Order: sequence, then C-alpha cells, then structure tokens
Amino acid sequence: GDSVTQMEGPVTLSEEAFLTINCTYTATGYPSLFWYVQYPGEGLQLLLKATKADDKGSNKGFEATYRKETTSFHLEKGSVQVSDSAVYFCALSSNDYKLSFGAGTTVTVRA
Amino acid sequence: DGGITQSPKYLFRKEGQNVTLSCEQNLNHDAMYWYRQDPGQGLRLIYYSQIVNDFQKGDIAEGYSVSREKKESFPLTVTSAQKNPTAFYLCASSTAGTFGSGNTIYFGEGSWLTVV
Repeated sequence: GDSVTQMEGPVTLSEEAFLTINCTYTATGYPSLFWYVQYPGEGLQLLLKATKADDKGSNKGFEATYRKETTSFHLEKGSVQVSDSAVYFCALSSNDYKLSFGAGTTVTVRA
Repeated sequence: DGGITQSPKYLFRKEGQNVTLSCEQNLNHDAMYWYRQDPGQGLRLIYYSQIVNDFQKGDIAEGYSVSREKKESFPLTVTSAQKNPTAFYLCASSTAGTFGSGNTIYFGEGSWLTVV
C-alpha cells in the first residue's frame, strides 16, 4: 500500500538557517504529493503540492520538487524564521479518496 | 468567513461513554473526512464521505461511527468500543474528486478528546 517516510525530528535551527526535511514515498502509479504544516494547537494547512513528476511546489519561501526517480519530495527553505516553528507533514494520494501522511517532523526555530 | 468548525475544542469522556464530535463546513464541499492524530504519528483516516447519505470506513474505523445527513455536517461518535480514544481528532473537507487530480483538503482546528 501507499506509505510516506519522513525524516525524524525534532529539528532545531537558528533563524536564517537552511531547512530541509526529507520525504520519500512508496505508491502505485503516479501519486500527487503534498506538504502540510500544523502550528501549535491548530489543524493542518496546505503548504504546497505537486501533481506530476518534476513539478516544483512553492509557497512562503518553501519549495519541494517531485522526484519520481528517487521517489522523493524533500521540503526546503533557504532562511527560516521563528514563525516557521511548526510540525510539517508530507502526504500523498494515489488518485483515490485517501491521503497517506508521514509521521510529521517538528521544527523549532530559535531567535 | 468560510471554513470548517469543530466543536468542542476539548472534551473529556468517562470510561464506557459515547461522545460525539461536531464538524460543520460552509465551503460547499461534497467530501468530508475524519482523521485521528496521535503523538509522533501521522494522521490516520477514520471515515470519509463523498456525498450526503453515504460514507466509507477508513483505516481505523473500529469503535467509531458517523452520519452524513446534511452536506455541511459530518459528526463523529466515539463509542465505548474504542479502546484507546484519547487523541486529537481532525475533520476535513474537499471538493468532489480524487486527490490524484491535485484536489486540496482543508482541515478544521481539531478537537482534543481525553478519557478520564
């Protein structure tokens, strides 16, 4: 079945540092890939998505590229801020009505 | 404002009791979902509904029940059969269609359920 594997956290960074969160997946066919962000005490918000190979999703300075050859969708941001502290989830859907989520990676950015 | 409203935000349940979590959306979405979130784990799908008066079990439906009598409402009942109900519950909705087409799911702010 479909599955997503994220790098384990927690991740602690200083402001303006480079952030990368690894995400790899296993799926049948050609899934759509997503990154969601969850701020403390809130539900999840869509951060970015990519629906086909080589697509790059981007939003709020975050980027992720759909790499079919390595089955990966790593999240990156060049210069993080304290407000980026949150839990980040990688997710996929193989053209059905379900989303499969990774375990989440907690990111803390220190001033 | 358009969105998904979950209530209550915090709920305490005694052993052996059923409790119902409310989820209402005014986004005019056809599809609605319930997920459970446990610490250190990703979200797991409990039930989903693509249309009024129809719903399907997700990966962890045992001990839960739902109804979909109205398009905007999708309440979740956590029954006494659910052996480990303490968790964060998230309701979500989306337009009709599969996520493979890039369809986006929107989440409510969640409900914390604790068994006491």
